[in-house]
Amino acid sequence: DAGVTQSPTHLIKTRGQHVTLRCSPISGHKSVSWYQQVLGQGPQFIFQYYEKEERGRGNFPDRFSARQFPNYSSELNVNALLLGDSALYLCASSLSGDRFHEQYFGPGTRLTVT
Amino acid sequence: AQTVTQSQPEMSVQEAETVTLSCTYDTSESDYYLFWYKQPPSRQMILVIRQEAYKQQNATENRFSVNFQKAAKSFSLKISDSQLGDAAMYFCAYRGSNFGNEKLTFGTGTRLTIIP
Repeated sequence: DAGVTQSPTHLIKTRGQHVTLRCSPISGHKSVSWYQQVLGQGPQFIFQYYEKEERGRGNFPDRFSARQFPNYSSELNVNALLLGDSALYLCASSLSGDRFHEQYFGPGTRLTVT
Repeated sequence: AQTVTQSQPEMSVQEAETVTLSCTYDTSESDYYLFWYKQPPSRQMILVIRQEAYKQQNATENRFSVNFQKAAKSFSLKISDSQLGDAAMYFCAYRGSNFGNEKLTFGTGTRLTIIP
């Protein structure tokens, strides 16, 4: 089975623009989480979605939003990009949102804001 | 809020030797999960080992084992017989036990170099 996939792999945007990042979970997984990893730091939790409902939100501004589709794929949207949004964005999926299932990470999308 | 601290930004070890990576955390919860993740240059985060706080026995996975000291809030990773493929960033992570809460809180990581 394919692992978690993310697209695009890399992208470059200009300050003030908008970006959409996509994530396809492992087949059968219903929970998706998003993390931001700034260079030299550990990942920071942004959102968790389970069955299309938001289950958790990290300490990020309203410029960040996400949604989950009926096929459990997910999009992360960032508006009015700032230089500080440059980071690796990681998506993770799990079978369900409960404590008994591990999260599997995708390879990430590297976003550069100039 | 929970915090995770990794005080060793970089570590190196001779191939076939043993190395220990340190991690401390802060929480007011009594039940939680702790993890070590490996992130190679390919960027994909890979789970190395996990520990449930309610289990007193330290987790082991082949060459990887942990020393979990709940009272001290310490969670170190020992890698035995180090191999070149072990070179990577290692992140310690915490997850609470609330149903449906999958939020992982990560430390800042330790870069492990294996010397041939």
